[in-house]
Amino acid sequence: GEDVEQSLFLSVREGDSSVINCTYTDSSSTYLYWYKQEPGAGLQLLTYIFSNMDMKQDQRLTVLLNKKDKHLSLRIADTQTGDSAIYFCALLDNYGQNFVFGPGTRLSVLP
Amino acid sequence: DAGVIQSPRHEVTEMGQEVTLRCKPISGHDYLFWYRQTMMRGLELLIYFNNNVPIDDSGMPEDRFSAKMPNASFSTLKIQPSEPRDSAVYFCASSLWAGGITEAFFGQGTRLTVV
Repeated sequence: GEDVEQSLFLSVREGDSSVINCTYTDSSSTYLYWYKQEPGAGLQLLTYIFSNMDMKQDQRLTVLLNKKDKHLSLRIADTQTGDSAIYFCALLDNYGQNFVFGPGTRLSVLP
Repeated sequence: DAGVIQSPRHEVTEMGQEVTLRCKPISGHDYLFWYRQTMMRGLELLIYFNNNVPIDDSGMPEDRFSAKMPNASFSTLKIQPSEPRDSAVYFCASSLWAGGITEAFFGQGTRLTVV
């Protein structure tokens, strides 16, 4: 089945850029997603990219997709303490009915 | 819509007891997912339903776990008997198929502690 990998931890200083990386084994997923989980809460969709795009920008967020290398990244510009959370990369399985989530990257923003 | 509603938010129970977790999906959504989250194993899909019918329950860890969706607005996840290793946060999520699924909406989760 589909396998999604992420590094588990990332620490950055407030004001710096954060880059969270994700790799996947195979995907026919129409969309690839980034979800954010704040402490004590469920996951919330942060942004997504259509599979035929290679970049999407949304305010401080930039998503890059390299389909050849099966690599997805999320860049957060001017990282703030409120960005501290767990970030999950996700895509749909081959049937398009179910989400496959990565293990999540815990982002810590240091003052 | 109030979003996906789960109850209870917290549950503490003794080993061997039956536990029932509840979920109300977003009205009109036709997919419902149950996940379990632990530090060790991350986010695991337990089971998902489409139009109230279970589609894939291969993630249900043991026969002690069962899930039902008697109608489009309610689902339960039951653990009987519960064990300490079942301690986790259980999430329910729902989605709408509109030529494809575009987003899963998650509830706040139920934190289960089995002592």
